[in-house]
Amino acid sequence: DAKTTQPNSMESNEEEPVHLPCNHSTISGTDYIHWYRQLPSQGPEYVIHGLTSNVNNRMASLAIAEDRKSSTLILHRATLRDAAVYYCTRDSGTYKYIFGTGTRLKVLA
Amino acid sequence: DVKVTQSSRYLVKRTGEKVFLECVQDMDHENMFWYRQDPGLGLRLIYFSYDVKMKEKGDIPEGYSVSREKKERFSLILESASTNQTSMYLCASSSMKGQGTGELFFGEGSRLTVL
Repeated sequence: DAKTTQPNSMESNEEEPVHLPCNHSTISGTDYIHWYRQLPSQGPEYVIHGLTSNVNNRMASLAIAEDRKSSTLILHRATLRDAAVYYCTRDSGTYKYIFGTGTRLKVLA
Repeated sequence: DVKVTQSSRYLVKRTGEKVFLECVQDMDHENMFWYRQDPGLGLRLIYFSYDVKMKEKGDIPEGYSVSREKKERFSLILESASTNQTSMYLCASSSMKGQGTGELFFGEGSRLTVL
């Protein structure tokens, strides 16, 4: 059974880095890893994606384990506006993105 | 600004009613999706469409149908609403062709309550 698992919740202090983990133990070699976040009362929005190499963009960094069975979304300096539910998902090429249950990130001022 | 627009943010319906949830995107995307979001279960795919008049079942299609008569519009239909269909419904679109790096663009969601 294809599964993507994430911790239910995490806390971080403002201005500190946050590492959000995701396990995708049944991932295949061609599945892309995507991350989305959902702010309160909004639909999810794209954050970052990757296949094998670590990736950086203006929002975050994505670290992918060498065996690709896990990934970590890194927010370098958490702000109050980063409080959201973060979802990792796999693109298996069949249009069926396999979403995790999400991690609710709380940022403490 | 690119947009996926869902027709209703909040709906309240009665058991047995027929319910239409409408979604429109202005990005000329080929692919459109309907997801259901429930606490503790994340996002689950109901149906998707990769072209006009084309549709494919997702993981939980039972009790739902869809319609895509125009490229920009994808409708989710509950033929006879039931209380277990009370949920948040999210529409999304993307321009991917096959597996790749396409980004999903989501609407703001439609919260449906079935009494």
